[in-house]
Parts: sequence; C-alpha cells; structure tokens
Amino acid sequence: NAGVMQNPRHLVRRRGQEARLRCSPMKGHSHVYWYRQLPEEGLKFMVYLQKENIIDESGMPKERFSAEFPKEGPSILRIQQVVRGDSAAYFCASSPRDRVEGYEQYFGPGTRLTVT
Amino acid sequence: QKEVEQNSGPLSVPEGAIASLNCTYSDRGSQSFFWYRQYSGKSPELIMFIYSNGDKEDGRFTAQLNKASQYVSLLIRDSQPSDSATYLCAGYFGNEKLTFGTGTRLTIIP
Repeated sequence: NAGVMQNPRHLVRRRGQEARLRCSPMKGHSHVYWYRQLPEEGLKFMVYLQKENIIDESGMPKERFSAEFPKEGPSILRIQQVVRGDSAAYFCASSPRDRVEGYEQYFGPGTRLTVT
Repeated sequence: QKEVEQNSGPLSVPEGAIASLNCTYSDRGSQSFFWYRQYSGKSPELIMFIYSNGDKEDGRFTAQLNKASQYVSLLIRDSQPSDSATYLCAGYFGNEKLTFGTGTRLTIIP
C-alpha cells in the first residue's frame, strides 16, 4: 500500500511566481490535510479537504493561498505571487477518518519550497 | 493558552535508558492523541496513537493517557541512538484539525 505522495520534493520559485504543490493520499483515504513548517518551528495546520470540498481552511492565509481536492486527481495547494516568507516545508497528510479505521493522519515526504 | 504544550528540550538520555516525553493539553473534551517522530529534514512519522485512558504498548514504545489530568506521555524503553529526533504530540480539540505541540528534541547519548 503506497504511502502519501507529494511532488515536487523541492521547488524553487522567484518572488512573484506561482507555486503548485501536489498531494496524492494513501489508497482508501479520502481526507487530506495540508501543513506548513517554517525552519525550526512547529507544524501549522493550513487546510482540511475532502473530495471536492474544503472542510476547514482556518489556517490558510487569506490572500494568495488556495487549495483544492478534485474528484479526480491529487490535491493541490497553490501559492500565487510567492514571497520569501513563503519559504518552508509543506506537508500533506491523509486519513481514513472513520470509526473503523481510525483518525490517524499519515504524512507525505513534503515539498520544500524556496523563494529566491 | 496553547492547546498542546511540550517541553522543547533538548532532552538527553543515555543509550539503553528510558526516555520519557510529556505533553499537556487544555481541552477536556479531547479524545484522540498521537505521537509523531520527526528526524531533521524529514516528515513526521506516526509512532503511537491512543484514544482511551491508560497505557498502550507497542514494542519499545508506551503511550500513556490521563484524561483527568489532561496529560499524555510517551515512554521509550531501551533507548537507541536512532531514537534521537524531535517528538511531536498532537490531538483533536473539538474541530476537524490536528493540533500539534512544538515538539521535544530527544538526544540519545551512546
């Protein structure tokens, strides 16, 4: 059973460009979460999605950031007009989130975004 | 008040000893707790989860939950140098998102 997949693993963007980060959840998982981790800081929740629905985006900056999880294909975190402060590791996690299989979240390897 | 609090460490433990990691939380309604291990430059790896009061053992790891005291701990027996990492405590607090503590950095001294 393949784990959570993220790509690209490393992404370099110049200020003002767009960054697109992709996440494919574990097989059988329909719940996807995105987190950001700044250097030497903790994990911060950004957004929680199910297929075609944003459930909780309370951790997303109001501007420039958006996320989607379409019916087909991976979840995408999009950052428009990147600034240096967006440089961080972005992690995706997935969960079955049901009483039978539990509520654990499993993390992908992350995308390390560097804005130059 | 932060929802999940951990001692940031660093915590140094001799090889072969028991490492004890602690976490307190603020919401009595919390039901589910998780311990993750994160090596430097890597992603968090789930090592234990606990939903009920008491102890849960898995190999060298034991998670302990005390809901009355709002306290979660992780014990690592027979500590190995490969256990050196940052350990993150997390829980659901009445909403849909997993809230993480800032992590405790553990160093096992050979």
